[in-house]
Amino acid sequence: DMKVTQMPRYLIKRMGENVLLECGQDMSHETMYWYRQDPGLGLQLIYISYDVDSNSEGDIPKGYRVSRKKREHFSLILDSAKTNQTSVYFCASSLYGTGVGNTLYFGEGSRLIVV
Amino acid sequence: GQGVEQPAKLMSVEGTFARVNCTYSTSGFNGLSWYQQREGQAPVFLSYVVLDGLKDSGHFSTFLSRSNGYSYLLLTELQIKDSASYLCAVRTPGTQVVGQLTFGRGTRLQVYA
Repeated sequence: DMKVTQMPRYLIKRMGENVLLECGQDMSHETMYWYRQDPGLGLQLIYISYDVDSNSEGDIPKGYRVSRKKREHFSLILDSAKTNQTSVYFCASSLYGTGVGNTLYFGEGSRLIVV
Repeated sequence: GQGVEQPAKLMSVEGTFARVNCTYSTSGFNGLSWYQQREGQAPVFLSYVVLDGLKDSGHFSTFLSRSNGYSYLLLTELQIKDSASYLCAVRTPGTQVVGQLTFGRGTRLQVYA
């Protein structure tokens, strides 16, 4: 079954605390992504990972870092969370890169509230 | 700069049709995708187009005009369950991020009985 799984689904943190969002996929996809989605805004790319330890910044990487030590796992880390990082975070994967016709498979999202 | 624009809302009646528009202005073009996103759920892939013209996929059809930077998603024989947000995403031949997808803000379609 093709699936992208995100944990946790819901999280409340205090400003300044560290946050770890985890993502797994069972499709052996090379490429994985972290997006955030805010009301009235489109999906914004935070980081992209082309394979293990091969990560690149997206459009809004400031305040975030990522880790990919196994092909099936991709983590998003917020060191010292800020209130403006309150958002819904989506992980996605695709078989190769974002090549012609390639489909992104999304997880169900992780809703983070920073107070 | 990179821009993908969609109307925020669209309303239509069950049994009729709805056309969700998308205009884009990007540095290069390597195709356009449409995703459906229900409230509180993940986006789900619907369609991909890279050549001009209409691509008929039954309930969902997609049109593209590259010279006008324009696409639409056409939903026919609407059902209440088609109520969702529809996201347009343009793929560009990126430099820093290879083949980056730029998403529009999405169009929330409400289908009424």
